[in-house]
Amino acid sequence: AQKVTQAQTEISVVEKEDVTLDCVYETRDTTYYLFWYKQPPSGELVFLIRRNSFDEQNEISGRYSWNFQKSTSSFNFTITASQVVDSAVYFCALIRGAGANNLFFGTGTRLTVIP
Amino acid sequence: KAGVTQTPRYLIKTRGQQVTLSCSPISGHRSVSWYQQTPGQGLQFLFEYFSETQRNKGNFPGRFSGRQFSNSRSEMNVSTLELGDSALYLCASSLNAGNTEAFFGQGTRLTVV
Repeated sequence: AQKVTQAQTEISVVEKEDVTLDCVYETRDTTYYLFWYKQPPSGELVFLIRRNSFDEQNEISGRYSWNFQKSTSSFNFTITASQVVDSAVYFCALIRGAGANNLFFGTGTRLTVIP
Repeated sequence: KAGVTQTPRYLIKTRGQQVTLSCSPISGHRSVSWYQQTPGQGLQFLFEYFSETQRNKGNFPGRFSGRQFSNSRSEMNVSTLELGDSALYLCASSLNAGNTEAFFGQGTRLTVV
């Protein structure tokens, strides 16, 4: 079975603060893919990053960075110097194995950035 | 390049009716997946279509069905609507089947009364 846990339901930060969104996953597969998506109020899910299980390199993209640690089954997402436009619901997700395309989502973390 | 287009954006139906939702993927994308989002159950996978064939199906009753056309456009149908079917239905488009990044549409908000 597979599971994605986002323990933080809601987070509020003041603009320019850094914030880390936690994601813990469970899967018995050795090959899997992890994702982060952003869902603004408009509803569509915006792809942020994909990481496969064999690549534990951390990644930085502008103000966004991701920390993948297989030892703790975590794939955390940090926003540096948060902005009001970062306010959204963020979802961590997992795809099992190779050849599959169905995402298992966590319950999401609602981030509010206060100006 | 146009994104994923879902129609209609909003829909109100009565219990017992059926409904058809439409999704046009990004041009050149051949894989379409559908997801249901509710406050109680969160985001759940419904099914995936690739080259007009259903590749994968989530844990939903048979009232939920879908299909894909030769131009990759997809429809999903829900028959005998129940109040619990009220949800945001999201369509995702991928270039090919398997582990590629998925691009989502804005969804269809279905309300069953």
